[in-house]
Amino acid sequence: NAGVTQTPKFRILKIGQSMTLQCTQDMNHNYMYWYRQDPGMGLKLIYYSVGAGITDKGEVPNGYNVSRSTTEDFPLRLELAAPSQTSVYFCASSYDPSGNYGYTFGSGTRLTVV
Amino acid sequence: GQQVMQIPQYQHVQEGEDFTTYCNSSTTLSNIQWYKQRPGGHPVFLIQLVKSGEVKKQKRLTFQFGEAKKNSSLHITATQTTDVGTYFCAGRGAGGTSYGKLTFGQGTILTVHP
Repeated sequence: NAGVTQTPKFRILKIGQSMTLQCTQDMNHNYMYWYRQDPGMGLKLIYYSVGAGITDKGEVPNGYNVSRSTTEDFPLRLELAAPSQTSVYFCASSYDPSGNYGYTFGSGTRLTVV
Repeated sequence: GQQVMQIPQYQHVQEGEDFTTYCNSSTTLSNIQWYKQRPGGHPVFLIQLVKSGEVKKQKRLTFQFGEAKKNSSLHITATQTTDVGTYFCAGRGAGGTSYGKLTFGQGTILTVHP
């Protein structure tokens, strides 16, 4: 099992550019999440999904969009990148909503907007 | 909304000393999870606590969940250099349908001097 795979690992964007952060999992998890991590600020939830075709906003959704067409994939779209979106982005998945097995995180995408 | 505060933000110890990080929620939690993130890595699930007053141990790590289910702690006995990293608590609010969403604390960065 590969677990949760994120691509790319690193990316530099210019202000106003757009990009998609890819996330795929091979554990057949229904629940998937996107977090951003800023230094000293912990992890903030951007969007989450409870299954294919169902997504909802988290704590900090502005400037981002998501889709969930399959159980495996949960891409995060950045439109009109801004310096405030410089961060490390983590995708995660879980087996059940009660979290008995915890979240499985991907290795992250380090994004710099200049 | 729910807030999870974690202290201290940083902790520097000599190898062999003990370490404790504390987590406090603004609301009652249904459960709390703990994660470890090595420098440059991604969060890795350590454990989940569910019951009021619950205590769990993993080798040198002891996890506690408060009686009111609003606070938790992680204690490491006789730290080793392999314990270096950031320790996060993450809580799930009690009641309602939360779809497994976790609110993360800011994390405690632990450095261990050999």
